[in-house]
Amino acid sequence: RKEVEQDPGPFNVPEGATVAFNCTYSNSASQSFFWYRQDCRKEPKLLMSVYSSGNEDGRFTAQLNRASQYISLLIRDSKLSDSATYLCVVNKETGNQFYFGTGTSLTVIP
Amino acid sequence: NAGVMQNPRHLVRRRGQEARLRCSPMKGHSHVYWYRQLPEEGLKFMVYLQKENIIDESGMPKERFSAEFPKEGPSILRIQQVVRGDSAAYFCASSSTRTEAFFGQGTRLTVV
Repeated sequence: RKEVEQDPGPFNVPEGATVAFNCTYSNSASQSFFWYRQDCRKEPKLLMSVYSSGNEDGRFTAQLNRASQYISLLIRDSKLSDSATYLCVVNKETGNQFYFGTGTSLTVIP
Repeated sequence: NAGVMQNPRHLVRRRGQEARLRCSPMKGHSHVYWYRQLPEEGLKFMVYLQKENIIDESGMPKERFSAEFPKEGPSILRIQQVVRGDSAAYFCASSSTRTEAFFGQGTRLTVV
């Protein structure tokens, strides 16, 4: 079983829509959680860390459900510039290894 | 703080040659990770190193690939006798203990 699993999409949504991505992780010992964004032919960049209490950054909200071992990302009022691949990332306490999901592709349509 | 620096950005090698990819982590970071990304595919973990030690190389092909992170200098990913299937983007990331990882801009290897 993969450490991190994501729905690859693609998600095609109109401007202004709200879109949600989910990600599940297999190891209950995982300690740190992140969402990264990767634009075409560019390096992944940190979008936001995910905290147990949930956290919000502008139009982006991240949630963590430890009991069900899933992480979510909600994007409100989608912009054209949100089009990218969103990567779910999990870090285990021991070994400091990062595990990346394969990414979810989002295209925001005018 | 210059961020994670990778060089070269683009590398062209003929089949059978060697490719050396370099990664200088962010200042203060002692953990380095290498990933490979084929066109239209996700990131594939290759190897995780701390200074002078390989921590996890479970994603490294058994032959032709090696990595090091010496006490002084950048981390090196070395591919010997390259084949066309090695053509990909190779990303390096660095982190300090249990913080987020930061990526370099990648090296795009093309084998002709």
